[in-house]
Amino acid sequence: AQSVTQLGSHVSVSEGALVLLRCNYSSSVPPYLFWYVQYPNQGLQLLLKYTTGATLVKGINGFEAEFKKSETSFHLTKPSAHMSDAAEYFCAVRVVPLFSGGYNKLIFGAGTRLAVHP
Amino acid sequence: DTAVSQTPKYLVTQMGNDKSIKCEQNLGHDTMYWYKQDSKKFLKIMFSYNNKELIINETVPNRFSPKSPDKAHLNLHINSLELGDSAVYFCASSQRTRMVSDTQYFGPGTRLTVL
Repeated sequence: AQSVTQLGSHVSVSEGALVLLRCNYSSSVPPYLFWYVQYPNQGLQLLLKYTTGATLVKGINGFEAEFKKSETSFHLTKPSAHMSDAAEYFCAVRVVPLFSGGYNKLIFGAGTRLAVHP
Repeated sequence: DTAVSQTPKYLVTQMGNDKSIKCEQNLGHDTMYWYKQDSKKFLKIMFSYNNKELIINETVPNRFSPKSPDKAHLNLHINSLELGDSAVYFCASSQRTRMVSDTQYFGPGTRLTVL
């Protein structure tokens, strides 16, 4: 079964420091991977996604992620953290359930809360 | 010009009551979803509808009944509310049902508290 594991439920960095949020997936087929961000009391917003092609994906707000098939990883990075980056981050994989007629759904990781301190 | 909207934003009610949450998308998408986010922020799909037709039901208790009057609306009705139903419920939509690369757009969420 396809699944997503996010290592570290809480990550704390200093403003200006590198942000690294880890995501590993399990999938028997080529995965479609997503990172979403949830700011306090708001809905989820897509940061970036990997479908096919280039393995380094650039998203909004200076974030990027690299798909590494050999490591089954899709870690999210940002070179320099900003106070406004404090939020919950979710990694997700798109799966096509058996007998669903091709319809698909997102499986989310448990989320990583990013705190940015001055 | 909100893309995916939900009402109400907050809902506080007593155990045993029946309540509804409404969702509307103005993106022209074919597919809509309901997700439940529990107190630990874990997000799980509940239902998916394509053009008013139920396509995914994730073994949700039958106290939860989604209804889609048209493809722009997906409402969630919950009967006999229980304490464990307290959560944030998110509606989402995507353009093409079978395209795995499609982005899902989420609403702002409805925080349901059952007392």
